[in-house]
Amino acid sequence: SQQGEEDPQALSIQEGENATMNCSYKTSINNLQWYRQNSGRGLVHLILIRSNEREKHSGRLRVTLDTSKKSSSLLITASRAADTASYFCATRGSNYKLTFGKGTLLTVNP
Amino acid sequence: SQTIHQWPATLVQPVGSPLSLECTVEGTSNPNLYWYRQAAGRGLQLLFYSVGIGQISSEVPQNLSASRPQDRQFILSSKKLLLSDSGFYLCACLNWRAYNEQFFGPGTRLTVL
Repeated sequence: SQQGEEDPQALSIQEGENATMNCSYKTSINNLQWYRQNSGRGLVHLILIRSNEREKHSGRLRVTLDTSKKSSSLLITASRAADTASYFCATRGSNYKLTFGKGTLLTVNP
Repeated sequence: SQTIHQWPATLVQPVGSPLSLECTVEGTSNPNLYWYRQAAGRGLQLLFYSVGIGQISSEVPQNLSASRPQDRQFILSSKKLLLSDSGFYLCACLNWRAYNEQFFGPGTRLTVL
């Protein structure tokens, strides 16, 4: 069954603006990961946050995790046209499988 | 660093024909390997995963099968393709040293006509 669900399904912003995507999940997790996919390409790992962490930064990316609400958010600051892609959250439970959401399609207009 | 190769990159096959997609991994040994399918505009569906040679776990009943004849080779097959097998197939490898993030291959776009 689908674990992570991203929100919104699609997001269109202007270059320089911030983009926020949310992810909700249903069962307990070991960690939550965000991936990026350019059209027609494989996924690229962006950032991982463990269940005992609340916030993590990597460059222009900021991820938060609220295990009480079973939700996470990905913030991309000062967006660029090159950030246009689909973004997926994925959760890992007690095994070595990841469960992916359906993704958020981000379009950054120049 | 790990590198995942997939081929072919694109494939158009008639209904009822066989399928063989190959995935090979470089830069690691004894990896966990995964096959995902992504339908248009959808998330990733895990099809199979393997923790070692000859060890295959199937996640969903379907028209496909997987095999792992060598440590760093993972093959997705079908004896007779269905229209519903069309999609984007991605192979992935688990990175043990980075808290279980997955590395993905470039994918194979399969169209069944």
